Amino acid sequence: QQQVKQSPQSLIVQKGGISIINCAYENTAFDYFPWYQQFPGKGPALLIAIRPDVSEKKEGRFTISFNKSAKQFSLHIMDSQPGDSATYFCAASHLSGYALNFGKGTSLLVTP
Amino acid sequence: NAGVMQNPRHLVRRRGQEARLRCSPMKGHSHVYWYRQLPEEGLKFMVYLQKENIIDESGMPKERFSAEFPKEGPSILRIQQVVRGDSAAYFCASSPIPAGGLETQYFGPGTRLLVL
Repeated sequence: QQQVKQSPQSLIVQKGGISIINCAYENTAFDYFPWYQQFPGKGPALLIAIRPDVSEKKEGRFTISFNKSAKQFSLHIMDSQPGDSATYFCAASHLSGYALNFGKGTSLLVTP
Repeated sequence: NAGVMQNPRHLVRRRGQEARLRCSPMKGHSHVYWYRQLPEEGLKFMVYLQKENIIDESGMPKERFSAEFPKEGPSILRIQQVVRGDSAAYFCASSPIPAGGLETQYFGPGTRLLVL
């Protein structure tokens, strides 16, 4: 069963626009929510992560918003650039655990 | 500092053959995790190993799949008698201590297995 559901499957954004990717989870015991970025032919690389004790975390142009009651979290990419074109995965796990539960991924294309 | 290395990057096997996927963790990392990504799916955890020990293989199919991480050399994911449904990308990740919210898993580039 898919423990983390991610949408949209693909996304096209113009340069300078905002990219928004959403994820929802079922297991209320999850307490660590990372986002991974994957370029073609490469492995996923950690982009940004959040714990449920905060509702938002920002690092540069990347922001995670977290809604614990709705069991949802999202990634916002501000001022999207062509170099941001990649596949983005949300994931969830236990803070003390190691098995990451990934969403299916979102293929982002930022057009010039 | 080289990242996680996986080889081969692409592997083609016929049904019934064996597939061996190798993973060399980052220098200083003694914890290895294998994930499988089926087409149009997210990565799914398979197994967690430390040197010479399997810690958690709860995500590994019960038959035909095995993993090891010997004292010397890379971690090996072995798939016996491959079937077409084994076609997927297999990713290895490593960490210096048990990965959790405070420690990142570093992923390799993956091995794309195609079973004909």
